[in-house]
Amino acid sequence: GAVVSQHPSRVICKSGTSVKIECRSLDFQATTMFWYRQFPKQSLMLMATSNEGSKATYEQGVEKDKFLINHASLTLSTLTVTSAHPEDSSFYICSARERQGQKLFFGSGTQLSVL
Amino acid sequence: QKEVEQDPGPLSVPEGAIVSLNCTYSNSAFQYFMWYRQYSRKGPELLMYTYSSGNKEDGRFTAQVDKSSKYISLFIRDSQPSDSATYLCAMSAGTSYDKVIFGPGTSLSVIP
Repeated sequence: GAVVSQHPSRVICKSGTSVKIECRSLDFQATTMFWYRQFPKQSLMLMATSNEGSKATYEQGVEKDKFLINHASLTLSTLTVTSAHPEDSSFYICSARERQGQKLFFGSGTQLSVL
Repeated sequence: QKEVEQDPGPLSVPEGAIVSLNCTYSNSAFQYFMWYRQYSRKGPELLMYTYSSGNKEDGRFTAQVDKSSKYISLFIRDSQPSDSATYLCAMSAGTSYDKVIFGPGTSLSVIP
């Protein structure tokens, strides 16, 4: 299957700092990427849909100024958690959809811990 | 009613058993159906991908889709301890603008 690379896998930061997470599709072009948040023993919660060359679409209740998404190329999307606070601590996962079809391929996730 | 429903488990079976995982859905527009496996603190891995109704087999895994009943299943034969994970069903109507909707996941433990 297609490979999606997500970095970093783990980050610990102080409250008030910003953290950037990268999501790359390595062997296919992804016009659409998705960002999710997942709490322990819970399912994926879609945060936003990222389309190459256009503004991201955020789900209800997700602060777009808090979670900045950039999808500058067909293989790269980034999520920046601005002024992170302890309540932002979570597991963040990206996925990329192949151009033809509906298959989603996921990154390995980023565990964010804000102290 | 949620768009996709899935028994969260946990489901515990002995090694070698046949496992049946199921999802029901309410949106008749869904045409693409997927099953993902997620290990703890990892991203989900695509296991099976099917279009419309019917069966699909891949090794020990069989996916079934019954669109008339709005019901999909994943069967795991000869289950192994390494199959212990959370299994997520997912589905989409199929246009480039459609979101993929996930079930809440079923936690499976295969006991040696």
